Amino acid sequence: TQLLEQSPQFLSIQEGENLTVYCNSSSVFSSLQWYRQEPGEGPVLLVTVVTGGEVKKLKRLTFQFGDARKDSSLHITAAQPGDTGLYLCASGGTSYGKLTFGQGTILTVHP
Amino acid sequence: SAVISQKPSRDICQRGTSLTIQCQVDSQVTMMFWYRQQPGQSLTLIATANQGSEATYESGFVIDKFPISRPNLTFSTLTVSNMSPEDSSIYLCSVLWVTEAFFGQGTRLTVV
Repeated sequence: TQLLEQSPQFLSIQEGENLTVYCNSSSVFSSLQWYRQEPGEGPVLLVTVVTGGEVKKLKRLTFQFGDARKDSSLHITAAQPGDTGLYLCASGGTSYGKLTFGQGTILTVHP
Repeated sequence: SAVISQKPSRDICQRGTSLTIQCQVDSQVTMMFWYRQQPGQSLTLIATANQGSEATYESGFVIDKFPISRPNLTFSTLTVSNMSPEDSSIYLCSVLWVTEAFFGQGTRLTVV
């Protein structure tokens, strides 16, 4: 089972600040997904990255996949209170369905 | 996409009793997954449920404690048996739709 190390575990910032969340593994990801979860809800997929060096943007969110496909990052520009939630990276190895999750990052954005 | 209805959304149960959580999907899917999550923490896979065969359990989870049914391609149940306070957690079902995982809203279980 692939282990995913996610950091930081907690982030508490003011509205308008930038932040980055990291996800690393000692082995190569076949693909990597980022999810966001709000209280009382299940995780919702934000993005899937597959190709080494890939960069994807989703409004103020930028996702990068390392060239060696062993690391990924999520960068949020000008964070807003609506970005508050639990962010999880996940990898399915050769199977997207059976996911292994990172430890999660609890993000709190204060108005 | 897939829409998953999970119930109950929360329950408070006495130790020693059992609770069955239901998961209904609006489309036919081959595999359904059951996860456990402590509030504010990550998800741990309990088992994979395939229709017509016994569920496959992850290390640390056993069928006697977490029996799973999968009677058809749109429905599954997870039972938490002989509960103790350590079973207090959020339980989520999940399905794969193309390459994306969809989750139910979770069942918040408190054992007293």
